[in-house]
Parts: sequence; structure tokens; C-alpha cells
Amino acid sequence: AQKVTQAQTEISVVEKEDVTLDCVYETRDTTYYLFWYKQPPSGELVFLIRRNSFDEQNEISGRYSWNFQKSTSSFNFTITASQVVDSAVYFCALSGYTGRRALTFGSGTRLQVQP
Amino acid sequence: DVKVTQSSRYLVKRTGEKVFLECVQDMDHENMFWYRQDPGLGLRLIYFSYDVKMKEKGDIPEGYSVSREKKERFSLILESASTNQTSMYLCASSWSELAEAYNEQFFGPGTRLTVL
Repeated sequence: AQKVTQAQTEISVVEKEDVTLDCVYETRDTTYYLFWYKQPPSGELVFLIRRNSFDEQNEISGRYSWNFQKSTSSFNFTITASQVVDSAVYFCALSGYTGRRALTFGSGTRLQVQP
Repeated sequence: DVKVTQSSRYLVKRTGEKVFLECVQDMDHENMFWYRQDPGLGLRLIYFSYDVKMKEKGDIPEGYSVSREKKERFSLILESASTNQTSMYLCASSWSELAEAYNEQFFGPGTRLTVL
């Protein structure tokens, strides 16, 4: 069975601080995909990134960066110089390459960025 | 632009009523999904569909059924609504597994259902 754990329920930071959202996953698949989604107050989930299990290179996109470590089954997400617009619930998700093609989500981390 | 729409943003129903939640996507996606979102539990999969008239149970199908008569439309049905089905319901769609953008799902805005 697949499982995604986001141990941080809620994080509050002040604008311009850096913040890291943790994600730990469990799967028996040798090939899998990991995702991060953002859910702003409007409610619609927005896709941020997808990572294949064979690609352990870290990725940076503007103020966002992702650290994938297969050895620790973690896929952490860092926001540099946070802004109020980053306030949202962030979900980490996992999908196997074969079998069930639906996503398994973590419970989410609510990020509040104070001005 | 990719678009998934859901029939209602807010819905209030009474216990025992039959409830229909509609989802339409305009991207010609093969796969469609229904999730419910509850505080502290994240998103949990109710049902999904790989093709027209095809459906598979997700993690929490009890009390729900689905219908997919056309490729673009995927309906979630609560046969007899109960208070424990009060939740946010999210629909999503994606391309088939043969596409490069494998399993990236596009979500609708959600329907917040309250069952009294």
C-alpha cells in the first residue's frame, strides 16, 4: 500500500523567511511519481511539480525548490523569501507507475505567511 | 486553457436525499477522479474512471456511486445522503498513462456539501 506523510499540520512564518515543507512517502513500486500541489483559499488545487523516481536531481523554480532523497523516502519543498501569496495548503502526493493510476495524497500542510 | 468545472460550489441537502455532483472537463482526458477532502485527512479517492462507462472503486467508495456516460462528464451520486458525507468534493481529470504528462491531475474548484 502507498502512504504519504506530511507531519507538519500548520506552519506560520513572517514574510521573507524561508520555509521547508516535509513529505515522507512509502511505496513498494520501484518506479513512481511524486507531486506537490498548492491549494489557495479559493479551493482549486494547483499543480506545482512532478518528479519521477529515477530522477533524484533537485529542482529549482524561482523561489521554489524541491529536494528528493530516495534513500530517506523524502520529497521536501522549500519556499525561499516567502510572500503572503504563498499562504495556502500544500499537498504532497504519490502515484505508482503501474496498477492504480490515482494519486495518494498526504494530509496537507497549511502555510500562513504573515506580513 | 485546461478546465475542470463542477456544477455547484456550495450545496446543502437533507439526510436521505439523493445527491448528484457533476463534473465536466474540456481537455478530452481519459481519466477522471472523485476525491473528498476532510481536515487532517487530505484528499481521499472515492472512485475513478479510465474510460466511458468504466469505473473503479477508490479507497472510500461506500455510500457513493458514479456514472460516466460521456467522456467529458463524470458524476458522483450519493444514493442516500448522510451527515458523515458532509465534506468538500473535488473532481480531477488527467491524460492516459501513455502521455508524457503521466498522472498530472487537473482539479476543479470543489463542491462543499453540507448534509443536515
